[in-house]
Amino acid sequence: GAGVSQSPSNKVTEKGKDVELRCDPISGHTALYWYRQRLGQGLEFLIYFQGNSAPDKSGLPSDRFSAERTGESVSTLTIQRTQQEDSAVYLCASSFLPGTEAFFGQGTRLTVV
Amino acid sequence: DQQVKQNSPSLSVQEGRISILNCDYTNSMFDYFLWYKKYPAEGPTFLISISSIKDKNEDGRFTVFLNKSAKHLSLHIVPSQPGDSAVYFCAASAGGTGANSKLTFGKGITLSVRP
Repeated sequence: GAGVSQSPSNKVTEKGKDVELRCDPISGHTALYWYRQRLGQGLEFLIYFQGNSAPDKSGLPSDRFSAERTGESVSTLTIQRTQQEDSAVYLCASSFLPGTEAFFGQGTRLTVV
Repeated sequence: DQQVKQNSPSLSVQEGRISILNCDYTNSMFDYFLWYKKYPAEGPTFLISISSIKDKNEDGRFTVFLNKSAKHLSLHIVPSQPGDSAVYFCAASAGGTGANSKLTFGKGITLSVRP
């Protein structure tokens, strides 16, 4: 498909386990974002990749969170030793140019039990 | 530090009337502004944008107004329809490739359009 694809769509994990979330951006998009939305809250910025520049990691809530992006393609968000407060919908978005219209995936709903 | 603020959490309007959704920003570097719409269990979808060189952009029933001196923008929906009921997010970015170039979102406003 031509849109942003995220997998898995749903993930239930036990507290303390590690999880890896995947994002396939739109081909040719140089910018890629990760956000999360907790229940009843707004969009919380996590990390921003822009071309070959160093990623903006200023939104990562703790060192348990990390993300990688291979070139201008797939990105993975890894959460180590998950906690219940990590439960949220994790959204990935990509845009052709920085700061322009970003297109979102459907999100991964993470539930930590 | 919330750089994009949507101070009203919710808005309810009658079908056919105008919906006005407000957004304020604090970062004077922002020069591009966007509105997104989000339905439950879906990712946000892009609605309309405006560059700082303009003060109005219109697309069908949706118009965005920008007041740079007040650091304020608004989204007008007219006429409002029940299908417009969703959460609306305001976002802003700056030019270049630095940290300010990322999209910064407000907390969103829930619009309910009553039939």
